[in-house]
Amino acid sequence: QVQLVESGGGVVQPGGSLRLSCAASGFTFSSYGMHWVRQAPGKGLEWVAFIRYDGSNKYYADSVKGRFTISRDNSKNTLYLQMNSLRAEDTAVYYCAKDLTGGEYAFDIWGQGTMVTVSS
Amino acid sequence: SSELTQDPAVSVALGQTVRITCQGDSLRSYYASWYQQKPGQAPVLVIYGKNNRPSGIPDRFSGSSSGNTASLTITGAQAEDEADYYCNSRDSSGNHLYVFGTGTKVTVL
Repeated sequence: QVQLVESGGGVVQPGGSLRLSCAASGFTFSSYGMHWVRQAPGKGLEWVAFIRYDGSNKYYADSVKGRFTISRDNSKNTLYLQMNSLRAEDTAVYYCAKDLTGGEYAFDIWGQGTMVTVSS
Repeated sequence: SSELTQDPAVSVALGQTVRITCQGDSLRSYYASWYQQKPGQAPVLVIYGKNNRPSGIPDRFSGSSSGNTASLTITGAQAEDEADYYCNSRDSSGNHLYVFGTGTKVTVL
C-alpha cells in the first residue's frame, strides 16, 4: 500500500543539526513532488518546504529559508530534510507528504511524523 | 506571505450540518484543500480542488468557494467527525509556497 515513513527525529541542542528521512513505498516516488510540513506541540500545521519530482526546484517557508534544505534520492525512494542552526521554535512533529499534482495543490498522502525537540 | 483564517472552534449536534470557513486573499486565485486531524494522528486529506473527495472519504464532506472564502461542509455529522480541520492553499505571492489555515476544532454533541 501507499506509505510514507519518517525517521531521524530526536533531541538536539540549539544551533545543532539534524537530518530527517522519509521512505516512500507503494507509488512511483520519482513522479511526484514532495513536501515537509511541521506541527509544534499543541499548535497548527505549518508548511515547511517542497521539492519537485525531479529535484529541479525547491521552495521554502520564510521561517526556515537558509537553514533547512530539502532533497531527494529517487533511486532510494527517499525524501530528506537537512536542518541546520536549529532553534527552540523548530520543535515540532515533522511530516512528509506527497503532492497530489495535476494542478490541484494538495497533499494526499502523509507519513506518521517524527518528533524533533530543540532544547539544551 | 498569505494568511488563512479559520474560526477556532465550532460545535454540531449529531446528525446535523456544520460549515467550516477559511478566509484569505490567496483563495481568490487558488482552491483550498481541507485536512482532518484527530489527536495523535497525521492529517488526512478530505477535500481538494473545486469539490473533490479522495477515495474513502464519505460523501457527507463537501467543499465550496466564493471570493476570498472557502468552506467545508459536513452534512449529517457523525461522532467520528470530531477532529481538527485545516484548510490550505497555494500562496498568492507568485512563489511556489503554501499556507495552512489556523485550524478549527469541530465538536460533535
